[in-house]
Amino acid sequence: AQSVTQLGSHVSVSEGALVLLRCNYSSSVPPYLFWYVQYPNQGLQLLLKYTSAATLVKGINGFEAEFKKSETSFHLTKPSAHMSDAAEYFCAVGTSYDKVIFGPGTSLSVIP
Amino acid sequence: DAGVTQSPTHLIKTRGQQVTLRCSPKSGHDTVSWYQQALGQGPQFIFQYYEEEERQRGNFPDRFSGHQFPNYSSELNVNALLLGDSALYLCASSSTATNEKLFFGSGTQLSVL
Repeated sequence: AQSVTQLGSHVSVSEGALVLLRCNYSSSVPPYLFWYVQYPNQGLQLLLKYTSAATLVKGINGFEAEFKKSETSFHLTKPSAHMSDAAEYFCAVGTSYDKVIFGPGTSLSVIP
Repeated sequence: DAGVTQSPTHLIKTRGQQVTLRCSPKSGHDTVSWYQQALGQGPQFIFQYYEEEERQRGNFPDRFSGHQFPNYSSELNVNALLLGDSALYLCASSSTATNEKLFFGSGTQLSVL
């Protein structure tokens, strides 16, 4: 069975500061890993994905994530937070692109 | 090119009623997945339809059923509604041919009173 945990249901950062959102996964097979973002009253948008290629994955809007098998982690980072980054972020794991298991989410607030 | 479209956007029902939610996939996509997102939680996988058949199912009771039509659009039906069924229902589409990412619609917000 696959599962995802996200440490911290709410994270606040100052504008311009580093963003770090934590994700740990459990999977019995090599996983596909994803980060999605959800803005209020909208569906989910894919930020980036890991599919067993490079362990450091770059996504949209300046986000990146590093796959660490030994730590079963896939943390999301961005060097400098913008106000527009305030949203809900979901880490997800799957055995393919089209069936994914989502974590509980982390709400990111950006303080001016 | 329209993305994934869902209707209606909002719906209010009472306990015991039945509801039907609709989804049109992104052009060129043949697979539709449904997710339930309760307030403050991540989306939970309900089921997936491909070639008009249910291909995978999550841990949801039989009150949740679906259908896929020849044009790949899909419906989610929920019978005997419970208060706990109140949630945002998300539809996502994908293509088996290209194996690309899931595309999500904006969802249907269901409130059960």
